[in-house]
Amino acid sequence: NAGVTQTPKFQVLKTGQSMTLQCAQDMNHEYMSWYRQDPGMGLRLIHYSVGAGITDQGEVPNGYNVSRSTTEDFPLRLLSAAPSQTSVYFCASSYGGGSTEAFFGQGTRLTVV
Amino acid sequence: GIQVEQSPPDLILQEGANSTLRCNFSDSVNNLQWFHQNPWGQLINLFYIPSGTKQNGRLSATTVATERYSLLYISSSQTTDSGVYFCAGTGAGSYQLTFGKGTKLSVIP
Repeated sequence: NAGVTQTPKFQVLKTGQSMTLQCAQDMNHEYMSWYRQDPGMGLRLIHYSVGAGITDQGEVPNGYNVSRSTTEDFPLRLLSAAPSQTSVYFCASSYGGGSTEAFFGQGTRLTVV
Repeated sequence: GIQVEQSPPDLILQEGANSTLRCNFSDSVNNLQWFHQNPWGQLINLFYIPSGTKQNGRLSATTVATERYSLLYISSSQTTDSGVYFCAGTGAGSYQLTFGKGTKLSVIP
């Protein structure tokens, strides 16, 4: 049972480039989400999904797009990378949303130069 | 949304010492979790504890939901306990897990 799997683990982008961070879970969880972690801070919610075909914005959504075509996958797209998006990104999943235990992937460390 | 405050922000312990980390939240929560972020950046689930007390080896946690706080106890600390400890909660009707800023624990031999 792999849990929540994120790829890649590390990435360097040039300003203006686009890329997709991948997230997959094998626990049949309905709820998936993306967070970013900046130095000295806790994690902040970017986007979330309560099921296939349904997504919504979190606290810091600007510059990011998401889609949820399957229960298992929840990719995060950076449309035009900016240095302010340098961060560590975590994907999470849970069975029933806010009131159930969340499980996190190993993180993707992104640097935008 | 809810606010989550953790204390202390930094803690240095001698190996073998005990410690208590505190998490206060501004409103009632449906979910309260404790995580350990190890030096490699992984977030490890420690406890899912919206109320009550749980124990797992040298670690235990207590959440008093009516008074809006949770405590994490670490006994007989080891160097491998070093890292950052986060608590996070979800307010009523919300999908967002709100994190505190963490407690950075350093256990020295």
